[in-house]
Amino acid sequence: DVQLVESGGRVERPGGSLRLSCVASGFTFSEYGMNWVRQGPGRGLEWVAGVFWNGGSPYYADDVKGRFTISRDDAKNSLFLQMDNLRADDTALYYCVRENWDQTFYLDHWGQGTQVIVSS
Amino acid sequence: AIQLTQSPSSLSASVGDRVTLTCRASQDLTSAVAWYQQRPGKVPKLVIYDASSLEVGVPSRFSGSGSGTDFTLTITSLQPEDFATYYCQQLNEYPYTFGPGTKVDVK
Repeated sequence: DVQLVESGGRVERPGGSLRLSCVASGFTFSEYGMNWVRQGPGRGLEWVAGVFWNGGSPYYADDVKGRFTISRDDAKNSLFLQMDNLRADDTALYYCVRENWDQTFYLDHWGQGTQVIVSS
Repeated sequence: AIQLTQSPSSLSASVGDRVTLTCRASQDLTSAVAWYQQRPGKVPKLVIYDASSLEVGVPSRFSGSGSGTDFTLTITSLQPEDFATYYCQQLNEYPYTFGPGTKVDVK
């Protein structure tokens, strides 16, 4: 079974940094694109960042561009999100999500999420 | 970035009802739209991809249609476990974006 397990979320002060991790199992990690999606308290889903299966140019939501960096380590079946210059509105549950493709792309497996709280 | 609007924002329905949710995009998405179901306190779950393809394991009462800028998710004969919030997402171009969601609750 596909499993995605996130970690690294905690309380951090505005302007601080966090590094989220996601360990994947149950599939050949190197063959899939991966994404981070977040959900603020009482809010909808927000796509944050994505990286192709081959580690090619990552993509970011406008809100996080220049502050967040997505990366992957295929040898460790791991996805990361480096979050710098954190703001209060980055407070959210962050999901690690696998991307699949069949004519078009879609997000087919989601982790349970890791909670990030940005507060002074 | 491509904007998605969903209508209605919420609807009240009864078990056995047929419901249709709409997602409209600010530009042509061809068929690169997915729909997700999120029950309260739970992880989002893929329901439909490529606008009309049913994800494995999802009941056949769910169906999707549309192309270009207008898309629909239809649930025939609503079941108790279908009361949830439904999000559409465009994956035609980066940045990927989600719609604001439609909450389906009990009438």
